[in-house]
Amino acid sequence: DTAVSQTPKYLVTQMGNDKSIKCEQNLGHDTMYWYKQDSKKFLKIMFSYNNKELIINETVPNRFSPKSPDKAHLNLHINSLELGDSAVYFCASSPRGQGLLAFFGQGTRLTVV
Amino acid sequence: DAKTTQPPSMDCAEGRAANLPCNHSTISGNEYVYWYRQIHSQGPQYIIHGLKNNETNEMASLIITEDRKSSTLILPHATLRDTAVYYCIVFQISNFGNEKLTFGTGTRLTIIP
Repeated sequence: DTAVSQTPKYLVTQMGNDKSIKCEQNLGHDTMYWYKQDSKKFLKIMFSYNNKELIINETVPNRFSPKSPDKAHLNLHINSLELGDSAVYFCASSPRGQGLLAFFGQGTRLTVV
Repeated sequence: DAKTTQPPSMDCAEGRAANLPCNHSTISGNEYVYWYRQIHSQGPQYIIHGLKNNETNEMASLIITEDRKSSTLILPHATLRDTAVYYCIVFQISNFGNEKLTFGTGTRLTIIP
């Protein structure tokens, strides 16, 4: 009964490919996020969705496109993968208006070769 | 825009209390202090938060100075599983659903057997 689950946990792919990471939360939260942790361990927000509506879109390349089919799911699709996209991607969710009270998934380690 | 300052690393003996300091000298009156931790290869985990008063939960205690310019996270009886990077974050909660966690470099706490 994992609260925030991401799949896959590991993803190795070649440059130029398109890939998706899925995220689901069963906490009934309205807000979901994607964070990226780079090789230097800095953790930065990429996107947030509130009840399927995009709220935050940090300076992220257009190759990254979040999709929220319903408020329990926030998937991340990445086009034309580049070496610099290699990182750990974390999905998170929180109750509405309590963005700092977030529950994180276990992360997806993406390696682009 | 570094709002908090934390020591980069600390050691603590197993079974002893771990006291992690955080300076936030520019904190404003309606900003909360939040603590998260990230155990190796896992997603960040919420620990505790507070505004003015000291707080305690099953994981830790948070001591905020009277002038609110600094705080201390206390893990009363540290175990090896508490080895992690601990992040102190200050933020103003809004009702607009656009909050975002901004992680700094944190303190790497190592519990020594």
